[in-house]
Amino acid sequence: AQKITQTQPGMFVQEKEAVTLDCTYDTSDQSYGLFWYKQPSSGEMIFLIYQGSYDEQNATEGRYSLNFQKARKSANLVISASQLGDSAMYFCAMREGRRDDKIIFGKGTRLHILP
Amino acid sequence: DGGITQSPKYLFRKEGQNVTLSCEQNLNHDAMYWYRQDPGQGLRLIYYSQIVNDFQKGDIAEGYSVSREKKESFPLTVTSAQKNPTAFYLCASSRYGRDRGNQPQHFGDGTRLSIL
Repeated sequence: AQKITQTQPGMFVQEKEAVTLDCTYDTSDQSYGLFWYKQPSSGEMIFLIYQGSYDEQNATEGRYSLNFQKARKSANLVISASQLGDSAMYFCAMREGRRDDKIIFGKGTRLHILP
Repeated sequence: DGGITQSPKYLFRKEGQNVTLSCEQNLNHDAMYWYRQDPGQGLRLIYYSQIVNDFQKGDIAEGYSVSREKKESFPLTVTSAQKNPTAFYLCASSRYGRDRGNQPQHFGDGTRLSIL
């Protein structure tokens, strides 16, 4: 069974609009961390934002925020005021538990920002 | 500057040949990882290592081998047993320890492996 599910293979969004990228996860651990990465066409992985399972507030980093709904096991990435440079693949990832450093990625969402 | 260096950037393998992908980091990170990415797909974990001389299989370890003799280095060998090795390979590292929970992975620029 997939641990990280990203249900949107691709999205098209008009420039300057906000966009939400979905991510649901599956874990039985109480302690875990959720990450979002951006991968432009050049291939490098860029860390965007982190949410810990015990964090009471949603994480924010500039134009990025994470809509964390623990009961639903959902960690959606919200990008405000999208820009052409936001066009890329976006990956949700999870680190489970306290004793292991295994980090699992979802299949990604390809975001296209339209001028 | 600290970072992760993967080499080579492009690699070609002949049938029946083993090839080794290099990954070196100078971030003083304990944990290192290898991922495989197929076109338009997510990252799948091959192997990871939390400390020197120790490593664990990820989800797709068959046909691959690794070693972790030094903290800075985590080479990946793609063996002839891996029948479909054409992919983009990414190496990553992160901090390990009690405060590692919010530490993101740092990635190299990747190696593209193709079959001749």
